[in-house]
Amino acid sequence: QKEVEQDPGPLSVPEGAIVSLNCTYSNSAFQYFMWYRQYSRKGPELLMYTYSSGNKEDGRFTAQVDKSSKYISLFIRDSQPSDSATYLCAMGAGGTSYGKLTFGQGTILTVHP
Amino acid sequence: NAGVTQTPKFQVLKTGQSMTLQCAQDMNHNSMYWYRQDPGMGLRLIYYSASEGTTDKGEVPNGYNVSRLNKREFSLRLESAAPSQTSVYFCASTGSLSGNTIYFGEGSWLTVV
Repeated sequence: QKEVEQDPGPLSVPEGAIVSLNCTYSNSAFQYFMWYRQYSRKGPELLMYTYSSGNKEDGRFTAQVDKSSKYISLFIRDSQPSDSATYLCAMGAGGTSYGKLTFGQGTILTVHP
Repeated sequence: NAGVTQTPKFQVLKTGQSMTLQCAQDMNHNSMYWYRQDPGMGLRLIYYSASEGTTDKGEVPNGYNVSRLNKREFSLRLESAAPSQTSVYFCASTGSLSGNTIYFGEGSWLTVV
């Protein structure tokens, strides 16, 4: 079993829809959680970062972490065609291991006009 | 501000050939990382350097060597390339002044035939 599981999709939604992306994990040592967006033939760019259970909002994006269930989510409100990309969840144990991330497989999202 | 710069962007190698992927960052970061990305696998850590003068293995180090040449540069070497090393390689860096952000390069596409 992989440490981090992410539904690869692909996911196709109409413009304006609410998108829900999810990851589950098995390693209790993970202390911080990230969501990256990756456009085709580009490097991942950080969207959201959180280290506690609960919700964190940034514009149209909300990251949710439930450590007791080992489950994280990213919600995108009012999705736009420019949101079409691969979304990767990533998590790490912190301390001297900061930057040593374990990634999910990535979810391919297409938002059509 | 260039961020994290990788060279080359594309490379085709024959089985058994050697090559070095170069990475440089201009953000004065202490920590640097090499990841590989394969379809359906997300990103996996190959090697990392927590600080200048130190390197450590990640999840998939076999067949690779690294050198932290100085604080700015971290190279990845394939001594005898194998078709299984066909992948996209990403260099990343982070440091205390970057907060929680881990910056990725644009990627290097490597094909071993």
